[in-house]
Amino acid sequence: DQQVKQNSPSLSVQEGRISILNCDYTNSMFDYFLWYKKYPAEGPTFLISISSIKDKNEDGRFTVFLNKSAKHLSLHIVPSQPGDSAVYFCAATPTSGNTGKLIFGQGTTLQVKP
Amino acid sequence: NAGVTQTPKFRILKIGQSMTLQCTQDMNHNYMYWYRQDPGMGLKLIYYSVGAGITDKGEVPNGYNVSRSTTEDFPLRLELAAPSQTSVYFCASSYANMGSYEQYFGPGTRLTVT
Repeated sequence: DQQVKQNSPSLSVQEGRISILNCDYTNSMFDYFLWYKKYPAEGPTFLISISSIKDKNEDGRFTVFLNKSAKHLSLHIVPSQPGDSAVYFCAATPTSGNTGKLIFGQGTTLQVKP
Repeated sequence: NAGVTQTPKFRILKIGQSMTLQCTQDMNHNYMYWYRQDPGMGLKLIYYSVGAGITDKGEVPNGYNVSRSTTEDFPLRLELAAPSQTSVYFCASSYANMGSYEQYFGPGTRLTVT
């Protein structure tokens, strides 16, 4: 029962272009969403988050969009840089219950070519 | 601040052996988590703790045990190691009850059971 899905295992883009990473979820109780970035042999690092009361959150080159009716979120990276090459995980949590437990997608490997 | 530290970085176990993965955080976070990541998969929650003396099971708790005697430490115990426990283990912590759900991860422990 995969409650958070990232259907694209990999994505390759040219430096300077836009990278769009997608994530779908099935659980209507999820109301807070996060994106993490992971380099090889390191732990995931937090990138950006969005609450369900918003449909967009921006931080520098990174923007997350949330479409609650479609149960879909996306991460846009503009412009993409070679240093952005990493595995990106989306994660979701229901804020009720107050356990902070995150459910992660399988990850998308982004390669940004110089 | 060192953040979240994990030891050891690597370990090879024989089937049936036991070991403890150590995790320490110096951010005074009340919530702590243990995840495992298998190749091509997302992170699966093994156990979590919402405070000293309180622990609960996650998605994949079988074959593991935890304890939380202090705010800083959250060790994960593997009893009777099996090849299915070959994975990368990540410890994380957060202030999940402060309206912010970001988790901060350690660098991981790569465990091989042969």
